[in-house]
Amino acid sequence: GQQLNQSPQSMFIQEGEDVSMNCTSSSIFNTWLWYKQDPGEGPVLLIALYKAGELTSNGRLTAQFGITRKDSFLNISASIPSDVGIYFCAGAGGTSYGKLTFGQGTILTVHP
Amino acid sequence: DAGVTQSPTHLIKTRGQQVTLRCSPKSGHDTVSWYQQALGQGPQFIFQYYEEEERQRGNFPDRFSGHQFPNYSSELNVNALLLGDSALYLCASSLSGSDSYEQYFGPGTRLTVT
Repeated sequence: GQQLNQSPQSMFIQEGEDVSMNCTSSSIFNTWLWYKQDPGEGPVLLIALYKAGELTSNGRLTAQFGITRKDSFLNISASIPSDVGIYFCAGAGGTSYGKLTFGQGTILTVHP
Repeated sequence: DAGVTQSPTHLIKTRGQQVTLRCSPKSGHDTVSWYQQALGQGPQFIFQYYEEEERQRGNFPDRFSGHQFPNYSSELNVNALLLGDSALYLCASSLSGSDSYEQYFGPGTRLTVT
């Protein structure tokens, strides 16, 4: 099935560093969401974005809804060990009402 | 506030068998979506239920079917299991309306088909 293109696939960083990841699509979405998944658990919603150009923060996390509505970005500032996990972007809306289309995920490893 | 719950946690089935997975939505939510997540991949949408009817369906064969009950809980049924059906099955709940894209996931059911 269709998936979003998420990059990078994996990141290895030192504690305290900032992290940036992005997600692109060939389709327009009305909503972008970012999730974090820990091993053996379901994805946890971090941030939801509803307007093109919107910038939304949740603690050390900041996400942006791209102006073209075909991309989104997630930044994590001052990373800590508990940030370790897999981050997924998801798009919704347009012709995909009710359905979330996910990226392949970015695996984040934080070295103390 | 109870979150999304799923049962069972793990399940092992033999090829050709049938399986039923269960989901209870987050308190106050009325819409349930099911996703399949293969190892190393993002979740893939199977279908969504609202008002006890299938509202939207992803690219999955008819072997995958579902049901939603009056209390909004839901079941996912898979018939004639194949080895490729081995995956983590995730249930997500949401509230119908403009915010229905915010879906909250349960811990999943790990299905292994041998």
